[in-house]
Amino acid sequence: GQNIDQPTEMTATEGAIVQINCTYQTSGFNGLFWYQQHAGEAPTFLSYNVLDGLEEKGRFSSFLSRSKGYSYLLLKELQMKDSASYLCAVRDGDAGKSTFGDGTTLTVKP
Amino acid sequence: DAGVIQSPRHEVTEMGQEVTLRCKPISGHDYLFWYRQTMMRGLELLIYFNNNVPIDDSGMPEDRFSAKMPNASFSTLKIQPSEPRDSAVYFCASSMGLAGSTDTQYFGPGTRLTVL
Repeated sequence: GQNIDQPTEMTATEGAIVQINCTYQTSGFNGLFWYQQHAGEAPTFLSYNVLDGLEEKGRFSSFLSRSKGYSYLLLKELQMKDSASYLCAVRDGDAGKSTFGDGTTLTVKP
Repeated sequence: DAGVIQSPRHEVTEMGQEVTLRCKPISGHDYLFWYRQTMMRGLELLIYFNNNVPIDDSGMPEDRFSAKMPNASFSTLKIQPSEPRDSAVYFCASSMGLAGSTDTQYFGPGTRLTVL
């Protein structure tokens, strides 16, 4: 099975940088996803990591260390619209099945 | 493409009634997933299909829940009889393939179910 841990809440200031961590313990590993979910809306895909290292995509970057069971999502130049829940999801050996963490609620303040 | 389509968007029903949720995946996606999201339990996978065949239904809470996918463009999730604890947002998602970033799941807008 999967055990995924993320902080419940974080607060940051507009224009700043924030790092959201995710640790996982899995019986198998076949990729890690980050999703963004605004209140009352569906999750939307942000990033995917399967190899160790950093994946950069505009203001968002995601890092993975498979040996440590650790990932983070880095958000730069924060904007008010980045206030949302950020979900870490780990795909296990069964390629069709991903387990989601409980999400980190990020509040961006002026 | 219109994305994943779900209906209804909101459903309010009374305990004991049958509820049917509907989903149309993105055309060309071979995988379809049903999730339930609550404050207490987060986002939980209920069941998923590959090419219309149910692969893993271990997340289905009990026999009151059933899901079907009669063709590549339509799936239903049925709760019979419904109970207040079934109140949640139910998401349908679809993805293209098996490996790499093709496993990215695209979520529908969800159905907010309230069972009184």
